[in-house]
Amino acid sequence: NAGVMQNPRHLVRRRGQEARLRCSPMKGHSHVYWYRQLPEEGLKFMVYLQKENIIDESGMPKERFSAEFPKEGPSILRIQQVVRGDSAAYFCASSPRVVDSYEQYFGPGTRLTVT
Amino acid sequence: DAKTTQPPSMDCAEGRAANLPCNHSTISGNEYVYWYRQIHSQGPQYIIHGLKNNETNEMASLIITEDRKSSTLILPHATLRDTAVYYCIVRSGGGAGSYQLTFGKGTKLSVIP
Repeated sequence: NAGVMQNPRHLVRRRGQEARLRCSPMKGHSHVYWYRQLPEEGLKFMVYLQKENIIDESGMPKERFSAEFPKEGPSILRIQQVVRGDSAAYFCASSPRVVDSYEQYFGPGTRLTVT
Repeated sequence: DAKTTQPPSMDCAEGRAANLPCNHSTISGNEYVYWYRQIHSQGPQYIIHGLKNNETNEMASLIITEDRKSSTLILPHATLRDTAVYYCIVRSGGGAGSYQLTFGKGTKLSVIP
């Protein structure tokens, strides 16, 4: 059973370009979460999605960031007009449910570098 | 979610048990205790979780005090590959705001040969 997959693993963008990060959840998981880890800091929750719905985006920056989880295909985290402060590791996690106790399983992350 | 307190760092000799403490004195009745670890900038790895009973799996044991205000993660025979930052996280069982894991600074465990 393949784990959570993320690509690309490393992404370099110049200031002002767009970054698109992809996440394929574990088989059978329909709940996806995105987290960001700035250098030397802990992981911070960004957004939680179910298929075709954003459930909780309380951790998303108000501008330039968006996320989707379409009916078919991976979840996408999109960052428009990237700035140097967006350089970070972005982790995706998935879970099979969201009631009672449940684990979130993380992918290997995408390391975004903005030059 | 309740806040947790962990020591910033610990050392453990290879082959010995590593006991990582966590205080969560404000935990409420429907909140679970989760442990994750992050090995050198890899994605966090789920270890174990529990509500009030002690739990054991192939990776570790979780001991939760009777009043649920603290817990201990036990790695029974630490190896060099267990060197990582260990995070103790408290999260409710469902409802708005329960979806996110709140990662603190964790405990950096160094396993020494």
